[in-house]
Amino acid sequence: RKEVEQDPGPFNVPEGATVAFNCTYSNSASQSFFWYRQDCRKEPKLLMSVYSSGNEDGRFTAQLNRASQYISLLIRDSKLSDSATYLCAVMETGGFKTIFGAGTRLFVKA
Amino acid sequence: NAGVTQTPKFQVLKTGQSMTLQCAQDMNHEYMSWYRQDPGMGLRLIHYSVGAGITDQGEVPNGYNVSRSTTEDFPLRLLSAAPSQTSVYFCASSKDRVENIQYFGAGTRLSVL
Repeated sequence: RKEVEQDPGPFNVPEGATVAFNCTYSNSASQSFFWYRQDCRKEPKLLMSVYSSGNEDGRFTAQLNRASQYISLLIRDSKLSDSATYLCAVMETGGFKTIFGAGTRLFVKA
Repeated sequence: NAGVTQTPKFQVLKTGQSMTLQCAQDMNHEYMSWYRQDPGMGLRLIHYSVGAGITDQGEVPNGYNVSRSTTEDFPLRLLSAAPSQTSVYFCASSKDRVENIQYFGAGTRLSVL
C-alpha cells in the first residue's frame, strides 16, 4: 500500500461546479499536511497547508480527518484556470520527509 | 528572487554514462530534497538532507548519490545511467521542520537512451 494515495481522476467539471478531492495516508503519526498544485510541465507549488481545524482560502477549503486518516480539498465555483494536477503531501513525524501522492487531475471546461 | 535553481533543464544520456544534476537555493533553507516524477507515480523521494553534511535515503535511492557540503547546494549524481532513470527530476527546499513548505526548482528532464 502506498503511503499517500489519491484518486488520479481525471475529474472533468463545468465552470462554476464544486469539486472535491480526497487523499488518504497510512502513517497515523504524520504531523503536517499540504495541498500542492502542479500545472502541465511545471513544478509543484503550494496551494495551501491543511490544519486540524480545517481552513479556507477563498474558493478553496481543506480539511483533515485524523481518525480516518485522510485530507480533503474542496474547490467551489471552479474556474478554467483551476485546471491542473492537485498533489497532496504528508510530512512524517520528525519533520524530515515529505511524501507526495500521485496527484489528481482536474479539467474545468467552459 | 532566484529561489531554487536547477541545472540543466534538459539532458540526454546514454546508458552507463554518469552525470550530476545541480540544485542550489538562496533562501538559507535547512532542508533540501530530490524527487523524481514519472507518469502515474507522482513525486517519489530519492534523497533528502536536513543540513550541511547530513543526508539520508528516501523511497527510491538506488542508483543515485548525494552530498551536502554547503547549505546552498545539493547535487544529485547518477553513477551509471539506466533507461529506468528517464524521468523529470525536481529539487526542493524547505526552511526547517516547523515551516516545511516545499519550494521546488523548475525541474530537469532527463532521458537515458
